[in-house]
Amino acid sequence: KQEVTQIPAALSVPEGENLVLNCSFTDSAIYNLQWFRQDPGKGLTSLLLIQSSQREQTSGRLNASLDKSSGRSTLYIAASQPGDSATYLCAVRGGSGNTGKLIFGQGTTLQVKP
Amino acid sequence: EAQVTQNPRYLITVTGKKLTVTCSQNMNHEYMSWYRQDPGLGLRQIYYSMNVEVTDKGDVPEGYKVSRKEKRNFPLILESPSPNQTSLYFCASSWGIRTGELFFGEGSRLTVL
Repeated sequence: KQEVTQIPAALSVPEGENLVLNCSFTDSAIYNLQWFRQDPGKGLTSLLLIQSSQREQTSGRLNASLDKSSGRSTLYIAASQPGDSATYLCAVRGGSGNTGKLIFGQGTTLQVKP
Repeated sequence: EAQVTQNPRYLITVTGKKLTVTCSQNMNHEYMSWYRQDPGLGLRQIYYSMNVEVTDKGDVPEGYKVSRKEKRNFPLILESPSPNQTSLYFCASSWGIRTGELFFGEGSRLTVL
């Protein structure tokens, strides 16, 4: 059964720091991995989608990498800002016997202090 | 504007009173799914649909029903709601399973008394 783990559960950094959020998964037979942002009480906003054949995706200050063989993905945030404070979730789709399922990690809650 | 729309956004109901949460997308997506989000348990998939008339169970389907009669709509039905179904519910859609970016609705906060 696919399991997705995100470390750390919470992170507090001063503004301007570069930071890395981690996501690991147990079954490497995935179709894709997606990173989301969730503000308190709100819906999920898609940040980056990495297909299983890709190694990384970039959008502005965000860069996500995928290493399928080791079951890991990282989300790199450059020059963090207070507006980046939110919970970041990774989700994997697919895996052996999980054609249509999407499995989420528990999330990393990020606080960027001014 | 491309979007996934859920209704109602907030609902308080009583045990046993049937309710339906609607979900509609305007992007002609084939794949749609429902999730619930609970503190400490994260987001868990309830049901998903890979196309019209094709639905399948996620990880927590008990107590829920779905139907996919049209491509754009994927309602979530609680035939006899119970307090343990109090949660924040999200609907999402994408072009397909293998390549599509998933778009989420704003969420529906349901309280069952």
